[in-house]
Amino acid sequence: QVQLVESGGGVVQPGRSLRLSCVVSGFTFTSYAMHWVRQAPGKGLEWVAVISYDGSNKYYADSVKGRFTISRDNSENTLYLQMNSLKAEDTALYYCARVDLKYGYYTGFDYWGQGTLVTVSS
Amino acid sequence: DIQLTQSPSFLSASVGDRVTITCRASQGISSYLAWYQQKPGRAPKLLIYTASTLQSGVPSRFSGSGSGTEFTLTISGLQPEDFATYYCQHLSNYPWTFGQGTKVEIK
Repeated sequence: QVQLVESGGGVVQPGRSLRLSCVVSGFTFTSYAMHWVRQAPGKGLEWVAVISYDGSNKYYADSVKGRFTISRDNSENTLYLQMNSLKAEDTALYYCARVDLKYGYYTGFDYWGQGTLVTVSS
Repeated sequence: DIQLTQSPSFLSASVGDRVTITCRASQGISSYLAWYQQKPGRAPKLLIYTASTLQSGVPSRFSGSGSGTEFTLTISGLQPEDFATYYCQHLSNYPWTFGQGTKVEIK
């Protein structure tokens, strides 16, 4: 079955860095674009970043542009999010998610991980 | 960036009620819209994509409609397990923003 398992979250001081990982199984990783979505405690969903199936295209939310980098290792079925210059407002549960493509249309995020919590605090 | 505004932000309803949630986009997004359900402590679950296509395994009491800038999610015959928060998301150009959410609670 499809599984996405995030790790790497924790408590970090403002200005420091953290790298999140998302290991996937149960589907052909190299066939799918992958995303990161976050949710601050008690708040709504915020789209963070996307990487194309082959890693050649990446897009970011304005709130993280220049500080976060999305990447993937297709040989290891792993998605990453390198987070630098962390701010208190980056505190959130970070989800990785898969987007499917049907008949040329993106369907939305059909599989999600369980999330990994990042807390930015001094 | 495209902004999505959901209404209402909160609604109180009873089991068996018909519930409608609206999502308005700040510019036209054709039918590139998805709806999700999220329960406390759980990841969101995809309900509807391309505005009106039911995701596999989702009960038929959920339906979506709309195109351009105005979209609706309807739950026909609210069930106890449907009390949750619902989000719309556009899948037009990046960034793929979400609406602020609509919390459906038991009356």
